[in-house]
Parts: sequence; structure tokens; C-alpha cells
Amino acid sequence: GAVVSQHPSRVICKSGTSVKIECRSLDFQATTMFWYRQFPKKSLMLMATSNEGSKATYEQGVEKDKFLINHASLTLSTLTVTSAHPEDSSFYICSARDLDRASGRADTQYFGPGTRLTVL
Amino acid sequence: AQSVTQLGSHVSVSEGALVLLRCNYSSSVPPYLFWYVQYPNQGLQLLLKYTTGATLVKGINGFEAEFKKSETSFHLTKPSAHMSDAAEYFCAVIEGAGNMLTFGGGTRLMVKP
Repeated sequence: GAVVSQHPSRVICKSGTSVKIECRSLDFQATTMFWYRQFPKKSLMLMATSNEGSKATYEQGVEKDKFLINHASLTLSTLTVTSAHPEDSSFYICSARDLDRASGRADTQYFGPGTRLTVL
Repeated sequence: AQSVTQLGSHVSVSEGALVLLRCNYSSSVPPYLFWYVQYPNQGLQLLLKYTTGATLVKGINGFEAEFKKSETSFHLTKPSAHMSDAAEYFCAVIEGAGNMLTFGGGTRLMVKP
């Protein structure tokens, strides 16, 4: 259980184009999903928190107009990198928060396999 | 505010040797603690977690971790390293349910034959 998928796994695009990345919770409903960015040999940097049916909450320094997040259903969140530039090249990872079966609290994040974005 | 420190960005062990990856945290309230593993070009996989109850937590792939409140630690161990354990390991903490996950800087485990 608690499987999260991402699509695509790898994308190469030209500078100036927009790229959409999908994150799906396959076997549970996630009211909250998270988007992270990871630079080579670095830890994960939280970009934004996505709540189903409401606007995303962005971390300081993350451009909300550049990284558009939509969480239209309990199992799907999308991240769109608009007008991508080479400095946006990175590994993007999403996660979905699920309930801990024992306590009933939402406290465990399950991660997708990541999307490698390369902007030429 | 919560924070996580992983001592040693790189740890190298021989196959069959004990694995010990260190994690210390700071939190103003009882924390929930996690260990994740990341293989190259992949996402993070949950190894184990501590929320409440027994302080020694067993996870997948033979790993376990012990929550020591007095030491504010949650070190990850495995009695005998396997080549397939070579990966990046992240310790993470949240201060109670529904809050943000804070990651440590990660420890790259290398296993020598």
C-alpha cells in the first residue's frame, strides 16, 4: 500500500516551454501533497504544499507564477514549470501524506519516484 | 523549530559489517521520526518510523532505529551490511501530526566488498 507515482520520469525540453509533472497516490486518498526539488548530492528542498481543492502554499523564495500547482482531486496533484530555463533543470519529487493506520493521524509522507527535468 | 542533523555525509563499511547512521534532532514537542532511503535517480522509500510506543523500531531490509529521548537521537542500524544497501539515507522529523517534514542533510552509505 501507500504507492505514489509520478509522470513523466524524465523530460527534456527547450528553454521557454512549459512542462507538466503529475503526481498520483495510487491506493490512498491524499488531502495533502508536497513538491520537492533536489539538487545533485543534496537533500530535498520543499517547494510547496498542495491541499486538495485549495491554493498551494509556497515556501519562501519559490516563484508561484513559475511553478504552478494544481490539486484538483484527492489522488492527483500537478506541477507545471512555466517558461522553463536551464536553471530549472533538477530532480522534482512529490509526496503524499497518508494516515498512520494505528493512530489515525496524517503523519507519514510517501514519495514518488521523481522526475528528472532537463532544460536545454 | 525543528531541525535534524546527520553526522557524516559519507559512511563506508565493509560487506557484512555493522551499519550505523547517526541522526540527532531538535524539537520542542515529542517528534515523529523517519528514515528514508534513496537509490540513484529514484524517489525516497520509507524504511521505518517512530510515532509513539516502543522506542526500538524495526523497518524493512533488516534496518532498525531506536528513539532515545534523553539523547535526542534516532540512529539507524543494521547488523550486517549488504552491497544492495549502498544508497543515500535521510533522517526526517515532524513535530506532531499534520506538520511539515524536516530532512537532515543525508548520509551516503558505501559498502565495500
